[in-house]
Amino acid sequence: SQTIHQWPATLVQPVGSPLSLECTVEGTSNPNLYWYRQAAGRGLQLLFYSVGIGQISSEVPQNLSASRPQDRQFILSSKKLLLSDSGFYLCAWSEFGANVLTFGAGSRLTVL
Amino acid sequence: GNSVTQMEGPVTLSEEAFLTINCTYTATGYPSLFWYVQYPGEGLQLLLKATKADDKGSNKGFEATYRKETTSFHLEKGSVQVSDSAVYFCALRTKTGANNLFFGTGTRLTVIP
Repeated sequence: SQTIHQWPATLVQPVGSPLSLECTVEGTSNPNLYWYRQAAGRGLQLLFYSVGIGQISSEVPQNLSASRPQDRQFILSSKKLLLSDSGFYLCAWSEFGANVLTFGAGSRLTVL
Repeated sequence: GNSVTQMEGPVTLSEEAFLTINCTYTATGYPSLFWYVQYPGEGLQLLLKATKADDKGSNKGFEATYRKETTSFHLEKGSVQVSDSAVYFCALRTKTGANNLFFGTGTRLTVIP
């Protein structure tokens, strides 16, 4: 069966520090991968998606970046965090051509 | 374009009350429709889905019917429980492309004993 792992679960970082959130999927090949952000009191915002290794599409201009170094690994990064980067970050995957997303448990980032 | 509009919350109900959370959509073509649920501190889970007009998705006592004529997919449950307290997201997915899932803003439901 397929599983998705996302870590760390919680993170408190100072403004200006770097960020790395990791997501891995097991039990499938060539998944579509996604990073969403859920800010307090707001809905889900798609940040990045990837249809293959090294292929990243950005939906919203920001100081975040994403990388997909391996087929089932998706990393969200920042060189310098802003206060506005605080939020709940969700990784998700879907099979190519499928219409259901499976989400990870999320990573709560607080930037102070 | 594609978008989802859902009832703003928060919604507070007593246990065993009837629940309706409204959701309407705008889409090109014939999307699939979903309800996802997010329990406190967790990621989203698929609650139910419908892939074509007049389909009814159901799970855990929740139901939603794909109404093409009113472009709606309202979520209902006849008798809510405290354990149903969560944020509910309506979403649509178009048929083409990887970036094709559009979420509503979410509705927070609190059920009190």
